[in-house]
Amino acid sequence: AQKVTQAQTEISVVEKEDVTLDCVYETRDTTYYLFWYKQPPSGELVFLIRRNSFDEQNEISGRYSWNFQKSTSSFNFTITASQVVDSAVYFCALSEHAGKSTFGDGTTLTVKP
Amino acid sequence: ETGVTQTPRHLVMGMTNKKSLKCEQHLGHNAMYWYKQSAKKPLELMFVYSLEERVENNSVPSRFSPECPNSSHLFLHLHTLQPEDSALYLCASSPGQGPYYEQYFGPGTRLTVT
Repeated sequence: AQKVTQAQTEISVVEKEDVTLDCVYETRDTTYYLFWYKQPPSGELVFLIRRNSFDEQNEISGRYSWNFQKSTSSFNFTITASQVVDSAVYFCALSEHAGKSTFGDGTTLTVKP
Repeated sequence: ETGVTQTPRHLVMGMTNKKSLKCEQHLGHNAMYWYKQSAKKPLELMFVYSLEERVENNSVPSRFSPECPNSSHLFLHLHTLQPEDSALYLCASSPGQGPYYEQYFGPGTRLTVT
């Protein structure tokens, strides 16, 4: 069965600090996709990134970067120079070949000014 | 206009009431989803529709009844709910139904069952 673990329930940082959100997954499929979503206080989850299981290249988008390592089954998310607007709940998700998505419990990030 | 809209945003209902949640997507997507988000539980997938056909029903109690009249609209009909059904109900859509596709979420309906 597929499983996503976000061990950090809550993280609090001060603005401009770097922060890494951890995501560890379990799957028996060789083909799968990993996602990160952001849920601001307004409620709707916002898609941030998708990674397929055959592409281990790290990705950078502005202040956001993602580190995908199949050897440790991890897909970690780093925010550089955090800002107050980054405060949200962040979800890691896994989709297997059958198409069902499993979300982690989420990490609540609070960035203080 | 946001891609996925949900109405109402807040709903308070008694256990004997019947109400419906509405979701509309303006993205031309083919798949739509209902999720339940409780305070102490992860996102729980309830129903999946692809091209207006239900493709997944994750052991959801029959007091929740989905309806997808077309690819742009999704309803969740509620009746005889329990207090533990109080949660944020999120609707989402995706371009297709499969593991590759990211989902686009609405703002949710905050449901309180009294």
